[in-house]
Amino acid sequence: ILNVEQSPQSLHVQEGDSTNFTCSFPSSNFYALHWYRWETAKSPEALFVMTLNGDEKKKGRISATLNTKEGYSYLYIKGSQPEDSATYLCASQGGTSYGKLTFGQGTILTVHP
Amino acid sequence: GAVVSQHPSWVICKSGTSVKIECRSLDFQATTMFWYRQFPKQSLMLMATSNEGSKATYEQGVEKDKFLINHASLTLSTLTVTSAHPEDSSFYICSASNPRQGAYEQYFGPGTRLTVT
Repeated sequence: ILNVEQSPQSLHVQEGDSTNFTCSFPSSNFYALHWYRWETAKSPEALFVMTLNGDEKKKGRISATLNTKEGYSYLYIKGSQPEDSATYLCASQGGTSYGKLTFGQGTILTVHP
Repeated sequence: GAVVSQHPSWVICKSGTSVKIECRSLDFQATTMFWYRQFPKQSLMLMATSNEGSKATYEQGVEKDKFLINHASLTLSTLTVTSAHPEDSSFYICSASNPRQGAYEQYFGPGTRLTVT
C-alpha cells in the first residue's frame, strides 16, 4: 500500500447501531496513526494518536485498534448517536514526531434518528 | 486547550489579486505549522511545513513563489496566495504542533474556503 486509504467512503446507520471503518496505510517507515473527527464548518478534532502495534485506545463509545505490521487501523463506534455524524479522517505519520501526516479521503458517517 | 483559529473562513477574490490567510494558535506555542489544501472529494494534501523563524519547506509540486508562507511568531503563520487564479480555488486548512515537547498531535483550524473569480 502506497497511500492511505479509508473504507467505506460513506456509511448510513440507524441510531443505536454499532459501526466500524478501516484505514489502511504503508507499514514501512511508520511512526504514528492519527484519527480525527471532522464536523462540517468546524476544525477537525483529534480522537486518537497510536504508535504501537496492537495498541487499542478508547474514548467514550469510540475505540480504535492498530496493526502496524499489516498496515491497518479500525475505528469502532458503539451505539451510534446522531451527534456522531461527521467525517472520520485517518492520517499516517512517517519517520519521526516531526514527520508529515498523509491523510486518507475520510469516511462520512451519517447516523439517522 | 489546543485551539487553532483561522481567518478568514471564506473569501472571494478576483483573478490576479493576492489573498492572505492567517492561522493562529490561541493557547499554546506552535513551533511548527502546516498548511494543507483540499480539492473536492479529495483528501487533505500537505502544501508546506513552517517552523517558527525559518523558511517554509514546500511539498513537491507546490510553488513557493505563489504560496508565500510566513511563520514569524510562535502563535501566527500566514499563507498568501499571490496572483490568484481560478484553479487556486480550494479549501485551505492549517494545523499547529509543538514537536519539541514530544507532542506529535496536530491541531487544526476550521479552514478557509477560497474562491477566485
